[in-house]
Amino acid sequence: SQQGEEDPQALSIQEGENATMNCSYKTSINNLQWYRQNSGRGLVHLILIRSNEREKHSGRLRVTLDTSKKSSSLLITASRAADTASYFCPTGANSKLTFGKGITLSVRP
Amino acid sequence: DAGVIQSPRHEVTEMGQEVTLRCKPISGHNSLFWYRQTMMRGLELLIYFNNNVPIDDSGMPEDRFSAKMPNASFSTLKIQPSEPRDSAVYFCASSLGDPTGELFFGEGSRLTVL
Repeated sequence: SQQGEEDPQALSIQEGENATMNCSYKTSINNLQWYRQNSGRGLVHLILIRSNEREKHSGRLRVTLDTSKKSSSLLITASRAADTASYFCPTGANSKLTFGKGITLSVRP
Repeated sequence: DAGVIQSPRHEVTEMGQEVTLRCKPISGHNSLFWYRQTMMRGLELLIYFNNNVPIDDSGMPEDRFSAKMPNASFSTLKIQPSEPRDSAVYFCASSLGDPTGELFFGEGSRLTVL
């Protein structure tokens, strides 16, 4: 399967701390994306990084991509209670996005 | 922009009944996707359409599932007959252009089959 596999499966941190989530995949990709899903809601797109990019920033988010290791990381700086959600890193290839099971992030107030 | 609209948000039905889930994509988007989410299997792609034409239905679990997109602003996912193992949250998503680009998800339809 070429799906993104997230690690860890669950992460609990204190508000204000940084959260780092990792993602690995198995085959060549065109891009890798990160999505957030709040409980009971649909997924929301956070950021897309293309296969020829190594790092991208958006607000408190920093995404890196290492195609040689087939891995990506999402860093959320200065976390807030509102960041509590599940995070997914689908990979884009063969005209579709394939999702893993996601990472559950809990930010304690 | 109203976003992707799904209905119903919640559906409870008995085994053997027909279930129809509906989706209105974002106006102007030309790709539409149906996903199913369960705790055990995560988020699975069931089928996707491009310009109203089904492109990949390899994720449709079995013949009980069917999907249609009669026009650019409406799609349905039908399960007939429904079974308890079909209980899940079904998401519709749409995108513009590249089907591996940014997806816009609806809020989902939570289906419970008793």
